[in-house]
Amino acid sequence: AQSVSQHNHHVILSEAASLELGCNYSYGGTVNLFWYVQYPGQHLQLLLKYFSGDPLVKGIKGFEAEFIKSKFSFNLRKPSVQWSDTAEYFCAVEGNQGGKLIFGQGTELSVKP
Amino acid sequence: DTAVSQTPKYLVTQMGNDKSIKCEQNLGHDTMYWYKQDSKKFLKIMFSYNNKELIINETVPNRFSPKSPDKAHLNLHINSLELGDSAVYFCASSLLVSGGFETQYFGPGTRLLVL
Repeated sequence: AQSVSQHNHHVILSEAASLELGCNYSYGGTVNLFWYVQYPGQHLQLLLKYFSGDPLVKGIKGFEAEFIKSKFSFNLRKPSVQWSDTAEYFCAVEGNQGGKLIFGQGTELSVKP
Repeated sequence: DTAVSQTPKYLVTQMGNDKSIKCEQNLGHDTMYWYKQDSKKFLKIMFSYNNKELIINETVPNRFSPKSPDKAHLNLHINSLELGDSAVYFCASSLLVSGGFETQYFGPGTRLLVL
């Protein structure tokens, strides 16, 4: 069965620190990969996605993610976080059952001003 | 100009009651989804409809019955509510194109509390 694992449950950073959130998935076939963000009390918003092509994808708000097929990973990065990045971050995979997103358990990011 | 909207936003009810949550999208999408987010914020898909046809039906109690009157609406009816049904329910929509499904856009969520 497909699954998604996010390594960090809660990450606490100071403003201007660099961010990397880990995401690994288990599925051997072609996948579409996503990072969604959920700000406190709000709905999920798409940060970025990978369908094909350049494995380094850039998203909104300065976020980027790199798909490494050999490692089944899709880690999210941002060089300098801001207080407004405080949110829950979800990695998701869409595999062979089109339209079915499998989510990781989420990583809570707290940025101290 | 909300893209995916849900009503109600909050729902507090007693065990054993029957309730419905409505979802509407104005994005012109043809596929809609229901997800459940539990108290640990874990998101899991429940159902998906494409052009009013059920295409994804996860292992969900049959007390949950989705209904899609048209491709812009997907409602969720829950019978005999239980304490464990307390969660945030998210609706989402996307477009099915020749290469597969496009990005899913999520609604604001409905916070259900069963007492």
